[in-house]
Amino acid sequence: DAGVIQSPRHEVTEMGQEVTLRCKPISGHDYLFWYRQTMMRGLELLIYFNNNVPIDDSGMPEDRFSAKMPNASFSTLKIQPSEPRDSAVYFCASSLLGAKNEKLFFGSGTQLSVL
Amino acid sequence: GQSLEQPSEVTAVEGAIVQINCTYQTSGFYGLSWYQQHDGGAPTFLSYNALDGLEETGRFSSFLSRSDSYGYLLLQELQMKDSASYFCAVDRDDKIIFGKGTRLHILP
Repeated sequence: DAGVIQSPRHEVTEMGQEVTLRCKPISGHDYLFWYRQTMMRGLELLIYFNNNVPIDDSGMPEDRFSAKMPNASFSTLKIQPSEPRDSAVYFCASSLLGAKNEKLFFGSGTQLSVL
Repeated sequence: GQSLEQPSEVTAVEGAIVQINCTYQTSGFYGLSWYQQHDGGAPTFLSYNALDGLEETGRFSSFLSRSDSYGYLLLQELQMKDSASYFCAVDRDDKIIFGKGTRLHILP
């Protein structure tokens, strides 16, 4: 298996622009998680899905952030409009059964820079 | 709420043993896990403790004490490649919440 695949690896954009991050989870994994990592705040859980359904989006910082999972093999995280404070590494992770002794498999991340 | 506390940095010598502590303020979680992250890389799973006690995986061991709200990761026979950040995490209600990580520096 190729593992969790994220694209793009790097994204540089200007404030106010729309940004879309993409993720393909490991085939057969029922859970998909979006995390954001910064030096100040560490790894923050933004939202997670179970069987393509958003279960908890309490970590989504603002209405500018939205996430979708239209099918079992694809998810997007969208920021519109983007702001400089959104600059971070965004990780997607998947797991077979969610928590309860299930390890997360992380993608390589998207380094987002908003100028 | 949930919070996990880890030291921000730890320094050790190659070949030695180092312990990275994690204290938490949460209840009702299933277990404590540990992840390793090298610079520029993604977090990778190391170990998981569902029950109190010690779990050993090669040079790495992890410990959990629910009564003390405490856990640790023990790394033995340190190698330079072990230089990385280490995160503890708790899982509750299908959510996995991470601490801010401990940066491990290894001296030759």
